[in-house]
Amino acid sequence: AQSVTQLDSQVPVFEEAPVELRCNYSSSVSVYLFWYVQYPNQGLQLLLKYLSGSTLVKGINGFEAEFNKSQTSFHLRKPSVHISDTAEYFCAVSVRNSGGYQKVTFGTGTKLQVIP
Amino acid sequence: DAMVIQNPRYQVTQFGKPVTLSCSQTLNHNVMYWYQQKSSQAPKLLFHYYDKDFNNEADTPDNFQSRRPNTSFCFLDIRSPGLGDAAMYLCATSRVAGRTGELFFGEGSRLTVL
Repeated sequence: AQSVTQLDSQVPVFEEAPVELRCNYSSSVSVYLFWYVQYPNQGLQLLLKYLSGSTLVKGINGFEAEFNKSQTSFHLRKPSVHISDTAEYFCAVSVRNSGGYQKVTFGTGTKLQVIP
Repeated sequence: DAMVIQNPRYQVTQFGKPVTLSCSQTLNHNVMYWYQQKSSQAPKLLFHYYDKDFNNEADTPDNFQSRRPNTSFCFLDIRSPGLGDAAMYLCATSRVAGRTGELFFGEGSRLTVL
């Protein structure tokens, strides 16, 4: 079975500073990887996804992530954060299950707090 | 814009009083999911529909039921809500043809149990 680990439950960072949110996964089969963002009292919104090809993927709001197969990681980065980036970020992995469809597993989330 | 819409956004119910949450989608996706998300936790899958085929997660309590009368709509019924069922309930869809597992979420329905 696959699993996702987000080591940091909370990350405080000053406005305009860079940030990295860490995500590691485990799976015995190939995976698709996602980062979702959740603002307070809202649903999850896709930030970016890795399906295949280039290991560096760019998403919305200036975020990017790099897939590292050897380290089974998919860390999220932004070179300069804004107050509006304050939210909770979820890493997710998708694998094909025995029923022939994709099963999605979420990490426990990282709360990003941008400090003015 | 195509989207996933959940109603109501906020629902307050009394202990033991049944509640129904609804979800509609204009994406024409085959798969619809219901997730439960408690404070500061990851979304937990309750069940999903692949077209009309219902798939229940093994640890989903019997208190939770779902209906999908057509492609566009899906309902979550909580027959006798307990205090532990207070949570955000998220509806999501995915497109089987893409087979990537990318999920499209609604805004969520926050349930309070008094």
